[in-house]
Amino acid sequence: AQSVTQPDIHITVSEGASLELRCNYSYGATPYLFWYVQSPGQGLQLLLKYFSGDTLVQGIKGFEAEFKRSQSSFNLRKPSVHWSDAAEYFCAAFTGNQFYFGTGTSLTVIP
Amino acid sequence: EAGVTQFPSHSVIEKGQTVTLRCDPISGHDNLYWYRRVMGKEIKFLLHFVKESKQDESGMPNNRFLAERTGGTYSTLKVQPAELEDSGVYFCASSQRAEVGEQYFGPGTRLTVL
Repeated sequence: AQSVTQPDIHITVSEGASLELRCNYSYGATPYLFWYVQSPGQGLQLLLKYFSGDTLVQGIKGFEAEFKRSQSSFNLRKPSVHWSDAAEYFCAAFTGNQFYFGTGTSLTVIP
Repeated sequence: EAGVTQFPSHSVIEKGQTVTLRCDPISGHDNLYWYRRVMGKEIKFLLHFVKESKQDESGMPNNRFLAERTGGTYSTLKVQPAELEDSGVYFCASSQRAEVGEQYFGPGTRLTVL
């Protein structure tokens, strides 16, 4: 069965530190992969997506993600975190007709 | 351009009552989706409309849930009667092209059933 796993429920980082949020998917083929962010009171905002081609994708707000087929992973990274990045992050896989989301990773940024 | 809007933002009801959630998609988006996130769990697909037709309702949990999209514009999701396990955040999303998964999400409706 298709599934998306985000092993980290909550992460705390210092402002200015680097960030990596983990995501693994389980699917027979390579799905379309997405990262969304949800700030309090807001909807899910698309950060970036991978369909095919270059395995390193750039997104908004300075985020990037790398698709690794051998590891079935699509980890999200940012070199320097800002306090405004505190939010909940969701990894998702789209299989052509349905989205499968991870359980989300809540990010806290400390001064 | 306005994004996807949902109403209400919060709803607190008692077990056995009825609640209706509303979603207004982005203008011109034929595809409309409902999702639900139970606390601590993943966001799960409920159903997909193409215009006013239900394309896929495989995620609807049971027959207490009724979704409509009359006229192919806004959609409603009614829960009747509500049970405790229906508590969660209900998201709506819309898209122009269903096949590439680029969906725009609303802020969600937080439903609490007491």
